[in-house]
Amino acid sequence: LAKTTQPISMDSYEGQEVNITCSHNNIATNDYITWYQQFPSQGPRFIIQGYKTKVTNEVASLFIPADRKSSTLSLPRVSLSDTAVYYCLINAGNMLTFGGGTRLMVKP
Amino acid sequence: DTAVSQTPKYLVTQMGNDKSIKCEQNLGHDTMYWYKQDSKKFLKIMFSYNNKELIINETVPNRFSPKSPDKAHLNLHINSLELGDSAVYFCASSPMPGQGYGGSYNEQFFGPGTRLTVL
Repeated sequence: LAKTTQPISMDSYEGQEVNITCSHNNIATNDYITWYQQFPSQGPRFIIQGYKTKVTNEVASLFIPADRKSSTLSLPRVSLSDTAVYYCLINAGNMLTFGGGTRLMVKP
Repeated sequence: DTAVSQTPKYLVTQMGNDKSIKCEQNLGHDTMYWYKQDSKKFLKIMFSYNNKELIINETVPNRFSPKSPDKAHLNLHINSLELGDSAVYFCASSPMPGQGYGGSYNEQFFGPGTRLTVL
């Protein structure tokens, strides 16, 4: 079972780039890495998913090194509305393991 | 139109009671899930159904019984509620189950959550 570790919280300012790293030392060969965003009183929302190297979409980038034991979610130029909890998810076969989440606070 | 809906949004009840939470998705997905989020915001999967068949059943007390009358619905019934059951319960759906079924992992769509408070 892939265990994940994330920082509990991070602070940033509007307009900055934010990088949140998730450690998953025992990720298996076929596991994918997915990141979700959660606002208060809402369900998590999919941000990005990847298997290796780099994936980019309209809201974020995901960097995965060759050994895949970690991954970094990169949010370019954050705004106040990006204040939320960000979860790293490893899909290990039928087991879906969420990390503890990183609470990102974006300040003006 | 709401993609994944849950009812009720809030549920306050006494210990020992039996209650149900309903979930419906109109996305045409084959797979549905129930998650529990505790007060520390840890999200843990409880159950997963693919096309009405149970495929994940985590270590959850047997007081919790999921029921899937069709692939668009996955309800959660809880017997003999305990204080420790207080949490937010999220339903989710995805187009196909996670890896292990020949495909890549797919995005999950979550409902708004049901906040259960047991007194």
